[in-house]
Amino acid sequence: EPEVTQTPSHQVTQMGQEVILRCVPISNHLYFYWYRQILGQKVEFLVSFYNNEISEKSEIFDDQFSVERPDGSNFTLKIRSTKLEDSAMYFCASSEAAWEQETQYFGPGTRLLVL
Amino acid sequence: DAKTTQPNSMESNEEEPVHLPCNHSTISGTDYIHWYRQLPSQGPEYVIHGLTSNVNNRMASLAIAEDRKSSTLILHRATLRDAAVYYCILRDYGGSYIPTFGRGTSLIVHP
Repeated sequence: EPEVTQTPSHQVTQMGQEVILRCVPISNHLYFYWYRQILGQKVEFLVSFYNNEISEKSEIFDDQFSVERPDGSNFTLKIRSTKLEDSAMYFCASSEAAWEQETQYFGPGTRLLVL
Repeated sequence: DAKTTQPNSMESNEEEPVHLPCNHSTISGTDYIHWYRQLPSQGPEYVIHGLTSNVNNRMASLAIAEDRKSSTLILHRATLRDAAVYYCILRDYGGSYIPTFGRGTSLIVHP
């Protein structure tokens, strides 16, 4: 069964450093998403991406964040200058159609620790 | 805003049915009701979704109240592998429509 993959599984970085989290969505999917989950807290939507542009974003997704689909298979989340509070599990997801009417498939996540 | 309310936790015995409720009294007429679950140390996993009619799939059933202000996820025979946090998700408007997870219901399944 096709699945969403994410790399790395764990990343440790120093505050102020840039990080790029990578995702390979399911190949025929057109919609891509990033979520985060701070330890012990709920899953929070960050951004959705369709047709090479951001379609929705939450208040969390500020200027420090950016997303890109650089090569038609990868989908990346960049955090420009990490803060301690960016420490969280980051999940990528993809779906064939818009999430409201379709299944999202989530990856296993990248655990980001900012020191 | 379409907010959801779920019990913090529920318990069940293995092979018994489980009914997980969700209240969404401010749901709008076009909002689908989605259920996902999250097993320990994993990403969320789709369970089921519906709009107005009750829905069945291989994992579960979704019973939607006639007024759509509540729904119930039904696991027909709970297994130990069903122990997870179950989220009822609607879209929420915070400048744009986004999927909003609540705190979910932690389901404990006893052998």
